Amino acid sequence: DTAVSQTPKYLVTQMGNDKSIKCEQNLGHDTMYWYKQDSKKFLKIMFSYNNKELIINETVPNRFSPKSPDKAHLNLHINSLELGDSAVYFCASSRSGNTDTQYFGPGTRLTVL
Amino acid sequence: DAKTTQPPSMDCAEGRAANLPCNHSTISGNEYVYWYRQIHSQGPQYIIHGLKNNETNEMASLIITEDRKSSTLILPHATLRDTAVYYCIVRASRNTPLVFGKGTRLSVIA
Repeated sequence: DTAVSQTPKYLVTQMGNDKSIKCEQNLGHDTMYWYKQDSKKFLKIMFSYNNKELIINETVPNRFSPKSPDKAHLNLHINSLELGDSAVYFCASSRSGNTDTQYFGPGTRLTVL
Repeated sequence: DAKTTQPPSMDCAEGRAANLPCNHSTISGNEYVYWYRQIHSQGPQYIIHGLKNNETNEMASLIITEDRKSSTLILPHATLRDTAVYYCIVRASRNTPLVFGKGTRLSVIA
């Protein structure tokens, strides 16, 4: 059974377009995250939601807007895509607690042309 | 910024133990040591974590020095499928994000 799933796996689009990436977890976790891994392979946190509320928002352009319709989903919408947005985006989830382990999805490779 | 220092790469013969070191000299008393790995083109995978005692699970063992300034991840019998980038992360509790450094690229060689 897939624990953390993301769609699509690959996304190729033109500059200026608006796109969304979806994330779902079936682990019953209450915290979800979005990470970005750039071409140099650095993984960085973008957002974190706990019980559908935003708790972490790193320095990310406001073109990026996460949306959490329920605890099992955290979608990432990106407006006016730029070349620099090309990266692999990973969703993760955890159960809040003292030693919450994060489980990652398979990633979405976004290519902006 | 990551609070850990790891060697950029290591090789290990298949079937032998892989010992991956990590320095975290500025670790705070409430921070745990976590290890994740990322196999090529996949999402990071949790391996193990600990606070001050040594820990063991089905994947690996974690040895933390008494002063907690360094640790070693041990894969007891490395296989080719263990080839990956291994990340050592120190992290306080409760909903804090993982701060990934550059990790150690482990290559298991047949």
